[in-house]
Amino acid sequence: EDQVTQSPEALRLQEGESSSLNCSYTVSGLRGLFWYRQDPGKGPEFLFTLYSAGEEKEKERLKATLTKKESFLHITAPKPEDSATYLCAVQGGSGGSNYKLTFGKGTLLTVNP
Amino acid sequence: EAQVTQNPRYLITVTGKKLTVTCSQNMNHEYMSWYRQDPGLGLRQIYYSMNVEVTDKGDVPEGYKVSRKEKRNFPLILESPSPNQTSLYFCASSFRPEIQPQHFGDGTRLSIL
Repeated sequence: EDQVTQSPEALRLQEGESSSLNCSYTVSGLRGLFWYRQDPGKGPEFLFTLYSAGEEKEKERLKATLTKKESFLHITAPKPEDSATYLCAVQGGSGGSNYKLTFGKGTLLTVNP
Repeated sequence: EAQVTQNPRYLITVTGKKLTVTCSQNMNHEYMSWYRQDPGLGLRQIYYSMNVEVTDKGDVPEGYKVSRKEKRNFPLILESPSPNQTSLYFCASSFRPEIQPQHFGDGTRLSIL
């Protein structure tokens, strides 16, 4: 059974204070690891897909990296508008034709001005 | 604008009264899926559909039904809702889920009394 654990559960930063969110996973045959952002009252919004260890993706102040056991979402010089819940999900190969996403519980990020 | 649309956004109802949550996407996506999000449990897949008339169970299908008569629509049916189905529901879709991310609607909050 695929499993995803995210840490910390909550993170409070000052504007400009860089940090990282962690996503540890166990999966049978990783097809992809996904990062989503979720704002209150909204659905998850896609950020990145990573497919293999060593891969990195960047978008504005966010950078996602992947190893064989975990992924990090690095936030550089965050702004208050980066405040959200960040979700990590894996798509495993044991699902056959079901491309379901197995999600972690998320990290609630608050960036104070 | 590409989007996944869910209706209603909010619903309070009573035990046993059949209800349907609609999901429609305008991106010609083949793959569609329903998730529920509960505090402390994260997002869990209920049902998925690979294409018209092709549906199958996810991790938590009990008490739910789905149908896929048209590519764009994937309604979620609760024939006899119970209080343990009180949750936040998300519909997602993807054109090629093995290589493209799933896009989520903004959610339906169901309260069953």
